[in-house]
Amino acid sequence: DQQVKQNSPSLSVQEGRISILNCDYTNSMFDYFLWYKKYPAEGPTFLISISSIKDKNEDGRFTVFLNKSAKHLSLHIVPSQPGDSAVYFCAASGYSGGGADGLTFGKGTHLIIQP
Amino acid sequence: GAGVSQSPRYKVAKRGQDVALRCDPISGHVSLFWYQQALGQGPEFLTYFQNEAQLDKSGLPSDRFFAERPEGSVSTLKIQRTQQEDSAVYLCASSLAYGANTEAFFGQGTRLTVV
Repeated sequence: DQQVKQNSPSLSVQEGRISILNCDYTNSMFDYFLWYKKYPAEGPTFLISISSIKDKNEDGRFTVFLNKSAKHLSLHIVPSQPGDSAVYFCAASGYSGGGADGLTFGKGTHLIIQP
Repeated sequence: GAGVSQSPRYKVAKRGQDVALRCDPISGHVSLFWYQQALGQGPEFLTYFQNEAQLDKSGLPSDRFFAERPEGSVSTLKIQRTQQEDSAVYLCASSLAYGANTEAFFGQGTRLTVV
């Protein structure tokens, strides 16, 4: 039973346009959410996070939106650049019934920025 | 070094062999996490250390998996009597703060292939 779901395995976006990556979660005890970016043969790198007490967090071109009632978050990248092509993982923390001190990750979305 | 370092980068083991995977976290980071990432999946939490104390090992899949961090810095993940289902990338992450609600820095991972 996946507690963090990224339903789009891949997404293709034109350079300069907005990229929107979506993530849904099922466990209402999650209280902190993070996005990680991963290039091939490298470890994930932290991108941006949001606490459950907020509904938006912005850092340069990256904005994360959290809708707690829908158990949904999204990552917006504006404008998209070729270097943004990578796999993006959504992750959540808080009591998850299992690894209380670890992150629960989604399967990832492969973002491809077309020139 | 400036980042989290893992060794070896690649390991091929014969079924039944024992393996040891090493993680050198960022100096001064109190939290250390191990994750397992199977092909096409997101990382899955294995275990968490706060300094030398292993506070959570709920994600370890079986008693063949053992992790230690005896002096609160370098950590080793040991897998005894490896099986084919153990084939995965093993990721180590460290963070300055306690727990998972914080930016964690990942290493490049060790790709384990059991043949």
